[in-house]
Amino acid sequence: GAVVSQHPSRVICKSGTSVKIECRSLDFQATTMFWYRQFPKQSLMLMATSNEGSKATYEQGVEKDKFLINHASLTLSTLTVTSAHPEDSSFYICSARGSQWSPLHFGNGTRLTVT
Amino acid sequence: RKEVEQDPGPFNVPEGATVAFNCTYSNSASQSFFWYRQDCRKEPKLLMSVYSSGNEDGRFTAQLNRASQYISLLIRDSKLSDSATYLCAVNRDFGNEKLTFGTGTRLTIIP
Repeated sequence: GAVVSQHPSRVICKSGTSVKIECRSLDFQATTMFWYRQFPKQSLMLMATSNEGSKATYEQGVEKDKFLINHASLTLSTLTVTSAHPEDSSFYICSARGSQWSPLHFGNGTRLTVT
Repeated sequence: RKEVEQDPGPFNVPEGATVAFNCTYSNSASQSFFWYRQDCRKEPKLLMSVYSSGNEDGRFTAQLNRASQYISLLIRDSKLSDSATYLCAVNRDFGNEKLTFGTGTRLTIIP
């Protein structure tokens, strides 16, 4: 069964609105979770590392004020896409791992469409 | 040079054939290697980890070549259900939890 749960799986929103995506680790505690984005026919691109109890670490080129990350507990991280625009339409996937040497497990992803 | 590179394919292979993919990585300090499978419009799912000694899981065999900095995935007796995109993933360096993914290799098994 799934070890990482992501919600919602699909969202359509209007340009200028904000969207919150939740990511939960079900079977383990995750001090670190990762947020990826995948455009069609491209690979997963790491957006940010979500750290429980501290600020997220963003990859180069990712706007921290646009993609707000909150990691309030050891099992929950949220990504909020603020003032979404059509170019933000993408597949957003969270992931987590139990230890630094174990493989990443992915949530089922959120397909965001901004109209 | 990209951190992780894969041949995007597509590989169109008849059912029952053997197919192999390679994935090269640029950072010699990388320590963890994985193969993921991604079906269309779905999240990646772990296929197997790749160990130094090589590992096998049924019809799937993964190998690591540190000297040449590549990992490989071999699929024997391919099934229609093996059609998917196969992503390799490498951690950036020792002690770094972040994984970098290749662009994926698309495989289609033809009946």
